Amino acid sequence: TQLLEQSPQFLSIQEGENLTVYCNSSSVFSSLQWYRQEPGEGPVLLVTVVTGGEVKKLKRLTFQFGDARKDSSLHITAAQPGDTGLYLCAGRDDKIIFGKGTRLHILP
Amino acid sequence: DAGVIQSPRHEVTEMGQEVTLRCKLISGHNSLFWYRQTMMRGLELLIYFNNNVPIDDSGMPEDRFSAKMPNASFSTLKIQPSEPRDSAVYFCASRLDSLNEQFFGPGTRLTVL
Repeated sequence: TQLLEQSPQFLSIQEGENLTVYCNSSSVFSSLQWYRQEPGEGPVLLVTVVTGGEVKKLKRLTFQFGDARKDSSLHITAAQPGDTGLYLCAGRDDKIIFGKGTRLHILP
Repeated sequence: DAGVIQSPRHEVTEMGQEVTLRCKLISGHNSLFWYRQTMMRGLELLIYFNNNVPIDDSGMPEDRFSAKMPNASFSTLKIQPSEPRDSAVYFCASRLDSLNEQFFGPGTRLTVL
């Protein structure tokens, strides 16, 4: 069974700090996606990474796909209260598997 | 475009009752996904349709759950009879296959008493 483990489960930090959250698996995925979900809403796609070692940037967010395409990280620089939410990674091979997410809270 | 539309947004029912959740896809999209989200298990794929045909229903928990796509833009997820352990937020998502991006609806929060 493919599993995606996300860490940490919860993270609460002050505005302006940097943070990294992780998504790990023992399985290889053809692509990996990161979503952000806010309370009362569905997840919204942030990025898709496809190539091992790939790095994508979205303003203050940097996403990296591991060389072996088994893991990924999301780094946020100078976190802001608007970054608060549940961050989900999803691996795709023949199926789509979601991690349980990292719940991020940025304190003003 | 209004995005994916789900109804109802909230449903409270008693154990044993039938529950029907509804989803309208984004116009022109050809794949539909039903998910269930709980704190314990996270976001789980229940069933996936492509061009109105069920492709993968291995995530459907048991025979009490059924899903249909009577046309290209609409789907239902039915639970009969419902049980308290079915309480969760149910999402549908639609996708245009060429774009590899799922668009999620706002979800239906189901509470079975």
